[in-house]
Amino acid sequence: DIQMTQSPSSLSASVGDRVTITCRASQSISSYLNWYQQKPGKAPKLLIYVASSLQSGVPSRFSVSGSGTDFTLTISSLQPEDFATYYCQQSYSTPRTFGQGTKVEIK
Amino acid sequence: QVQLQESGPGLVKPSETLSLTCTVFGGSITSYYWSWIRQPPGKGLEWIGFIYYSGSTNYNPSLKSRVTISGDTSKNQFSLTLSSVTAADTAVYYCAGEKVDGNCFDPWGQGTLVTVSS
Repeated sequence: DIQMTQSPSSLSASVGDRVTITCRASQSISSYLNWYQQKPGKAPKLLIYVASSLQSGVPSRFSVSGSGTDFTLTISSLQPEDFATYYCQQSYSTPRTFGQGTKVEIK
Repeated sequence: QVQLQESGPGLVKPSETLSLTCTVFGGSITSYYWSWIRQPPGKGLEWIGFIYYSGSTNYNPSLKSRVTISGDTSKNQFSLTLSSVTAADTAVYYCAGEKVDGNCFDPWGQGTLVTVSS
């Protein structure tokens, strides 16, 4: 199985801050990396797929970089609606696996 | 657009079998791999497995011995059975679609909490 490791597990930030979340795969996954946002009591929502494609309706303050084993999700200016938990997920092979999540909290 | 709805019992006794159904609305069942994903309370996401409309399946090795995913294309539904459940199987269970050429989970159902308890 491909292990996905996110860092940090949680962070506190203020509205307007730049936030960076890292995701590392235990082996190369090319660009087969997706990012999801989950709010309490809700299903995960697809943000970015195949490493760099923004899902329709996702604000441009979300961006990604990376390929192979190391990937980064950046929120350029944190907004109140961005406080949530973020998961990375690889679709390179089965079993599909997720990172453990990064909780973005209000400072 | 495609929407998903999970249904099934919210309480299952230990050692019994968990059964859930996902109904697909508004789209072709042939364009996706249909997955089950679960999330224990306060924890992360675990992929259980998927089925393609042809009937081919792929399961997470960690659960393979207890999992069956089946489909009914006439009803636009697919189902999960998980046998010999324990408290560790208590989770919110989501169904989700992964487009054959998309490589990501979208859409998702709203999720259903299944509690394993006597």
